[in-house]
Amino acid sequence: AQSVAQPEDQVNVAEGNPLTVKCTYSVSGNPYLFWYVQYPNRGLQFLLKYITGDNLVKGSYGFEAEFNKSQTSFHLKKPSALVSDSALYFCAVRAYNNNDLRFGAGTRLTVKP
Amino acid sequence: GAVVSQHPSRVICKSGTSVKIECRSLDFQATTMFWYRQFPKKSLMLMATSNEGSKATYEQGVEKDKFLINHASLTLSTLTVTSAHPEDSSFYICSAIQGVGNTEAFFGQGTRLTVV
Repeated sequence: AQSVAQPEDQVNVAEGNPLTVKCTYSVSGNPYLFWYVQYPNRGLQFLLKYITGDNLVKGSYGFEAEFNKSQTSFHLKKPSALVSDSALYFCAVRAYNNNDLRFGAGTRLTVKP
Repeated sequence: GAVVSQHPSRVICKSGTSVKIECRSLDFQATTMFWYRQFPKKSLMLMATSNEGSKATYEQGVEKDKFLINHASLTLSTLTVTSAHPEDSSFYICSAIQGVGNTEAFFGQGTRLTVV
């Protein structure tokens, strides 16, 4: 079965600085990769996805992610962090041949003014 | 994006009673719905996957007789926590997808269940 690893429980950045939230995955065949954000006591909001094509995917709120097949990674990035970006971020993977969506453990991003 | 509505957002119940949580896809037909449980400061644990008109597929370790899932239509799935205990207190989240594979899942806002 597919799985996702988010190696950092917590990422702290200063407002205005670039941010990276790391994600690596394991799946048989081609992966479908997703990033979601969760605010306190809320469901998850979709940020972006990689299905095929260009390795750099742009999503909501200025976020982007880069698919790297050789490193089996799908790191989330933003050039300039905002305090309002502070939230819990989840990476998820689905195999091409099933609907089972598996999540990483989540990374709490804190952006300080 | 598509909208998934989960109800109620918060519920408190007594030990031994049952609680039903509804998950509705408002503007699309959900071929598959998922139920997750989230513990404080933890990731989402997939409980079960349900396809419309068929029995849910439960993850290992999830009691199917305790967590009853029904997906009677393409827009509604329900999770019933039967004979609730305080250890069932958690944040439950549903999600729904239309189609297969490459489509993103859309999530409900979650239900905070507290069993007293």
